[in-house]
Amino acid sequence: DVKVTQSSRYLVKRTGEKVFLECVQDMDHENMFWYRQDPGLGLRLIYFSYDVKMKEKGDIPEGYSVSREKKERFSLILESASTNQTSMYLCASSAGTAYGYTFGSGTRLTVV
Amino acid sequence: GIQVEQSPPDLILQEGANSTLRCNFSDSVNNLQWFHQNPWGQLINLFYIPSGTKQNGRLSATTVATERYSLLYISSSQTTDSGVYFCAVYDVQFYFGTGTSLTVIP
Repeated sequence: DVKVTQSSRYLVKRTGEKVFLECVQDMDHENMFWYRQDPGLGLRLIYFSYDVKMKEKGDIPEGYSVSREKKERFSLILESASTNQTSMYLCASSAGTAYGYTFGSGTRLTVV
Repeated sequence: GIQVEQSPPDLILQEGANSTLRCNFSDSVNNLQWFHQNPWGQLINLFYIPSGTKQNGRLSATTVATERYSLLYISSSQTTDSGVYFCAVYDVQFYFGTGTSLTVIP
């Protein structure tokens, strides 16, 4: 089975800090995605990547950036964390458009 | 983007009961996937089902792509089935419904 690993399950950061959320997949998937999940709003796509060093904005990219230097790793960066970025962050990977997603276990980020 | 509607939003079942969850989507899609989010937040893939019917144990799913809906059937529900069930459809990216929250009580 594909494994998608997110580096932290729970994270607490202070307003203004630079935050890195790491995601690693072990099945050589081309495509990787970052979502955030909030009550009443469902899952919203932040950024995605179809190849190394490639990135595309999703529906809510403001306040975030990403890095994909290696195929297996896709990092989400909060340049200056704010309280409205408190959320559950979910990473997913996929072998391609004809295949489904596999999700990591999520990171619950709290910005205080 | 594609609109995805799931119903019902909430469901409470007695253990052993059967249920049907529905997912309607607004446009033609290439793929559709059902997920179960457990109480710890993990999204688990249940079915990848762009069309047709699939079964896995007590769960089965049917997608009628031409009529833009999919159904997830849960038979003989167990307390471990509790959680939120999401439908996601693919067109350039995956679009998620807002989920059905299922609670199975003993």
